[in-house]
Amino acid sequence: DAKTTQPNSMESNEEEPVHLPCNHSTISGTDYIHWYRQLPSQGPEYVIHGLTSNVNNRMASLAIAEDRKSSTLILHRATLRDAAVYYCILRADSWGKLQFGAGTQVVVTP
Amino acid sequence: DTGVSQNPRHKITKRGQNVTFRCDPISEHNRLYWYRQTLGQGPEFLTYFQNEAQLEKSRLLSDRFSAERPKGSFSTLEIQRTEQGDSAMYLCASSLGSGTGSNQPQHFGDGTRLSIL
Repeated sequence: DAKTTQPNSMESNEEEPVHLPCNHSTISGTDYIHWYRQLPSQGPEYVIHGLTSNVNNRMASLAIAEDRKSSTLILHRATLRDAAVYYCILRADSWGKLQFGAGTQVVVTP
Repeated sequence: DTGVSQNPRHKITKRGQNVTFRCDPISEHNRLYWYRQTLGQGPEFLTYFQNEAQLEKSRLLSDRFSAERPKGSFSTLEIQRTEQGDSAMYLCASSLGSGTGSNQPQHFGDGTRLSIL
């Protein structure tokens, strides 16, 4: 299965944008790019997903490179509640299991 | 709250005992997943059900582990003869199944934290 590479941690100030990178150079043409986040003491929470085009929803935006070998999750205005581990996942399995890496720990400072 | 519910939230037991966890998925979801998460790591896939059928099991799921979903609704995960290495958070997720399923997000419960003394 194709793997993803994310920075271990990122820090942001409250109300500023956060850009979380993810590299997936071995992505296949049918892999969807999914993002989940996990707040302390909670289960993971779906954030957004996409295939080729950029995607927006109420939580975040997903920018996908033209060659699909990298993507960026964008939190437009970070709040303290956005402090979490963010996971970038490629989903190829037709049954839909998720293969998590270590993710990026986002720290938001007031 | 109509999200995924897991019970108990915490379980402390002695090594060698059997434990059972329960997961109640979102009612219309026909797919149910179990994951295990140890400290500082991302969740690891254990097994997956489509309705009552168990369709995939990870190599992580040793013969001491068994999962069931008898009526295609709630699911149980049992660990027999628990070992220290079984200490972890056990997460359940559910999703709708349609087509290949790749597009359907998974909705997670808040897990059962197992501690082996």
